[in-house]
Amino acid sequence: QKEVEQNSGPLSVPEGAIASLNCTYSDRGSQSFFWYRQYSGKSPELIMFIYSNGDKEDGRFTAQLNKASQYVSLLIRDSQPSDSATYLCAAFSGGYNKLIFGAGTRLAVHP
Amino acid sequence: NAGVTQTPKFQVLKTGQSMTLQCAQDMNHNSMYWYRQDPGMGLRLIYYSASEGTTDKGEVPNGYNVSRLNKREFSLRLESAAPSQTSVYFCASSSGDTSGNTIYFGEGSWLTVV
Repeated sequence: QKEVEQNSGPLSVPEGAIASLNCTYSDRGSQSFFWYRQYSGKSPELIMFIYSNGDKEDGRFTAQLNKASQYVSLLIRDSQPSDSATYLCAAFSGGYNKLIFGAGTRLAVHP
Repeated sequence: NAGVTQTPKFQVLKTGQSMTLQCAQDMNHNSMYWYRQDPGMGLRLIYYSASEGTTDKGEVPNGYNVSRLNKREFSLRLESAAPSQTSVYFCASSSGDTSGNTIYFGEGSWLTVV
């Protein structure tokens, strides 16, 4: 079992809809969690991070964390075609000081 | 405004050849990482260095060696390249704080082993 699991997709949503991306992790010692966006041929870029249970909002993005269920999600409101990319979830294990990534979910926003 | 710089960007190797990927960061970060990315596999951690003078294995260390030369530089060496090491390699760095830690990536190195 991978330490961080994501549905590979593709997740297809119409423009203007809410895209919901999910991630589970196995290491209960993980302390903070990150969502990265990666366009084809480019390096990952950070969207947001979260380390407290609950929701964290930043513009059109909301990250949700439930440590009891070991579950992290990312909501993208008012999805745009420019949001079409692969979204990578990552868990930071402070005890080991390393960031482990899931395989990524490919999101396709169609006009 | 360099951030994380890695070289070379593209490289073709023959099976059995050796090479070193270089990485440098100018953000005074403590931690540095090497990842590889293959289609459908996401980013997999090869080696990391939590601080200058230390290195640790990640998820897929076999066939690689690393050197944390100083706080700025972290190199990845392939001693005898194999076709299975064809991949995109990303170097990254972070402050190493346990909360709100942000990792910054280089632009990637495309390696093909024939």
